[in-house]
Amino acid sequence: DAKTTQPPSMDCAEGRAANLPCNHSTISGNEYVYWYRQIHSQGPQYIIHGLKNNETNEMASLIITEDRKSSTLILPHATLRDTAVYYCIVRVANAGGTSYGKLTFGQGTILTVHP
Amino acid sequence: DSGVTQTPKHLITATGQRVTLRCSPRSGDLSVYWYQQSLDQGLQFLIHYYNGEERAKGNILERFSAQQFPDLHSELNLSSLELGDSALYFCASVGDSPSGNTIYFGEGSWLTVV
Repeated sequence: DAKTTQPPSMDCAEGRAANLPCNHSTISGNEYVYWYRQIHSQGPQYIIHGLKNNETNEMASLIITEDRKSSTLILPHATLRDTAVYYCIVRVANAGGTSYGKLTFGQGTILTVHP
Repeated sequence: DSGVTQTPKHLITATGQRVTLRCSPRSGDLSVYWYQQSLDQGLQFLIHYYNGEERAKGNILERFSAQQFPDLHSELNLSSLELGDSALYFCASVGDSPSGNTIYFGEGSWLTVV
């Protein structure tokens, strides 16, 4: 699995957009970009994932550059409950339903949302 | 609620003992992953099972073993426990989908070895 690079920490004001960057310059063509977050020793929570197109769901938006070497997770209106460690992970996609790549977690970005 | 159930939530045991952690994946999910998270380390991949078969091994000690049963639940067995085995142990599951499957994690089992 390709490695990712994230800033160790970021701050954001409540109500503002939080933009979390991730570099994955060695990503392969069959690897997806996943984002998870972990709030104080709870189980990692899935946020969003994508291959090459931008994606949006009820939690966040994922912007992937055209060369796929980097991406940005956007939390449009951050709240105090969004304070967590955010992990950007690249992972091999479904290979016909019989083999799945594991998620390899790095150190992530500690996002602190301030009032 | 991710749909992945782990028991027990908390466990305290003595060094040298053996414990079993249980994981029930989401309904229909064939893949189960186990991860360890200790205070000074990040989330470390231990092992992956798919439909009862071991698919990949990570940093799993020889004192640890796992299996996935026909009903797809999985157990992680930790033996000859040491103080350093104190950690959060997470189970995760994923099902089949046309593309880019999503892995869902349970809330973890806190193991304290004293």
